[in-house]
Amino acid sequence: EIVLTQSPDFQSVTPKEKVTITCRASQSIGSSLHWYQQKPDQSPKLLIKYASQSFSGVPSRFSGSGSGTDFTLTINSLEAEDAATYYCHQSSSLPQTFGQGTKLEIK
Amino acid sequence: QVQLQESGPGLVKPSQTLSLTCTVSGGSIISGGYYWSWIRQHPGKGLEWIGNIYHSGSTYYNPSLKSRVTISVDTSKNQFSLKLSSVTAADTAVYYCARAYGSGNGFDYWGQGTLVTVSS
Repeated sequence: EIVLTQSPDFQSVTPKEKVTITCRASQSIGSSLHWYQQKPDQSPKLLIKYASQSFSGVPSRFSGSGSGTDFTLTINSLEAEDAATYYCHQSSSLPQTFGQGTKLEIK
Repeated sequence: QVQLQESGPGLVKPSQTLSLTCTVSGGSIISGGYYWSWIRQHPGKGLEWIGNIYHSGSTYYNPSLKSRVTISVDTSKNQFSLKLSSVTAADTAVYYCARAYGSGNGFDYWGQGTLVTVSS
């Protein structure tokens, strides 16, 4: 099973700040890495697919990069509505797995 | 706009079988290329992929649950279902159904989730 490790687990940030969340895979997964945003009592929402492809309707301040084992989700000019938990997800091999999540708090 | 909706009992007794159904609207479950998954989230915890199914009936299960899981599809009702047998309190979670285009894509549509509590 491929283990995804996100960092940090928690981050407190101010609006307009740039945020970077990393996801490291225990073995190479190519570009089969996807990012989600989950707000309290809501289902996860797809932000980025295949490491760097923005999903339809996602604000342009969200971007992704990386391949192999190291991936990054970047949020440029953070907005208050971005307070949420963010998860990475690999679909390279079964079972599909998720990172443990990164909780973003807006100061 | 595709919508997914989970339904089923919110309370299941230990050792019994958890049964949930996901109804797909706004699109056909037999649309080519889509895989339909079940994912769960323990209270306050992360996400765990349970398994998926293609409209042909082909299934893939998480080995950690494989001995207890059955996912099936009813194309006539545009639904797919989850059965998890011999449940314990550790199976208490919010259960989501979700869709991915291709077996290796991200999940682009999710149900709202349904909390299932295992308790006597």
